[in-house]
Amino acid sequence: NAGVMQNPRHLVRRRGQEARLRCSPMKGHSHVYWYRQLPEEGLKFMVYLQKENIIDESGMPKERFSAEFPKEGPSILRIQQVVRGDSAAYFCASAGTSGGTFTDTQYFGPGTRLTVL
Amino acid sequence: AQSVTQLGSHVSVSEGALVLLRCNYSSSVPPYLFWYVQYPNQGLQLLLKYTSAATLVKGINGFEAEFKKSETSFHLTKPSAHMSDAAEYFCAVSRSEYGGSQGNLIFGKGTKLSVKP
Repeated sequence: NAGVMQNPRHLVRRRGQEARLRCSPMKGHSHVYWYRQLPEEGLKFMVYLQKENIIDESGMPKERFSAEFPKEGPSILRIQQVVRGDSAAYFCASAGTSGGTFTDTQYFGPGTRLTVL
Repeated sequence: AQSVTQLGSHVSVSEGALVLLRCNYSSSVPPYLFWYVQYPNQGLQLLLKYTSAATLVKGINGFEAEFKKSETSFHLTKPSAHMSDAAEYFCAVSRSEYGGSQGNLIFGKGTKLSVKP
């Protein structure tokens, strides 16, 4: 999991601001998943993307949240007009081809801890 | 629909004692099951996974888990606990309508393991 990079590791926003969370998958991986972890809870799935496509966004809140995974560059989870309830740890995971071998095991990044004041 | 239940939000053992963390699943298709470990303020690290091969799965750090279809269980064990095993452990099932391991993961709420000297 050391290969999945997320930044920033900590993000503080005031209510109404925008939060942008970035995820760089492991080299060769083209599948990215975003999860949210609220205090004292397990991880909840948000969205599953492949390059330039959203495959499954069934866990995304209907408003203010969006995600993309462009052809070039990291995947971005964007939260507009943040509210206190958005405070959580956001993790991304990647899967795909590494070292010539396809793996559908999800490898997690270290997470971004969002605090909304 | 798939789901995971972890029995016991906190487990405490003495160093050198057996570790047993319980996980029961519900799945309408042959499940792919995972155990992840999370150290404080870090991401999730894969301990082991079951993908319909051997029912006894060996993972890293001396952990293993046994898939029991009749009991719909996938309990995690380690013969002898070490202080460094103190962490939070998550059981997960892959949500895939096709029975594969792609698709998002559904996590249990986690079990915090404490190890007493």
